[in-house]
Amino acid sequence: ETGVTQSPTHLIKTRGQQVTLRCSSQSGHNTVSWYQQALGQGPQFIFQYYREEENGRGNFPPRFSGLQFPNYSSELNVNALELDDSALYLCASSFGTSGVNTGELFFGEGSRLTVL
Amino acid sequence: AQRVTQPEKLLSVFKGAPVELKCNYSYSGSPELFWYVQYSRQRLQLLLRHISRESIKGFTADLNKGETSFHLKKPFAQEEDSAMYYCALKRGFQKLVFGTGTRLLVSP
Repeated sequence: ETGVTQSPTHLIKTRGQQVTLRCSSQSGHNTVSWYQQALGQGPQFIFQYYREEENGRGNFPPRFSGLQFPNYSSELNVNALELDDSALYLCASSFGTSGVNTGELFFGEGSRLTVL
Repeated sequence: AQRVTQPEKLLSVFKGAPVELKCNYSYSGSPELFWYVQYSRQRLQLLLRHISRESIKGFTADLNKGETSFHLKKPFAQEEDSAMYYCALKRGFQKLVFGTGTRLLVSP
């Protein structure tokens, strides 16, 4: 069984740039959620994808967008990067029915983004 | 607003001592609560959920709706319990709301 993998593990960008983070979900999982974890904070929900559609979104601006592909892998895109976007971005997969999240998430190790 | 509060950033105990990691929540509906754990150099993982009413690695957590709490307890801490613990509330169908976490340090 392959776990959740994320890439890249670390990256540095400058303000105003755009970034794409990638996530491969765990085998058998059809739902992917993205979380932002700032230093010293708990993970904050960005959005969730189920069957290639966004089916839930947290309090993040539209410059945070995503995709889910037919193989259930996912991308998180952030445009017009700001300094406050510096954080660990966590991808979590799960098996959901009709987009309902059971609460048992399987997390990746995260992508640490630094915005200068 | 749905919120999870973990009042302690750090809890330091000696091996064999009892442990209680505090979690309080605010939620108007029927809550579903979870504890997630992150051991050193490992990824965040589910420890237990309240609906299972199970004991995992000696840890238990009871949902107290009157006090809106979901404290994590273990009678005798072990060094391998040292980790970061996050309490989480499931809001709606998709979203988990996490607390800020408590670092548990168990000393020999």
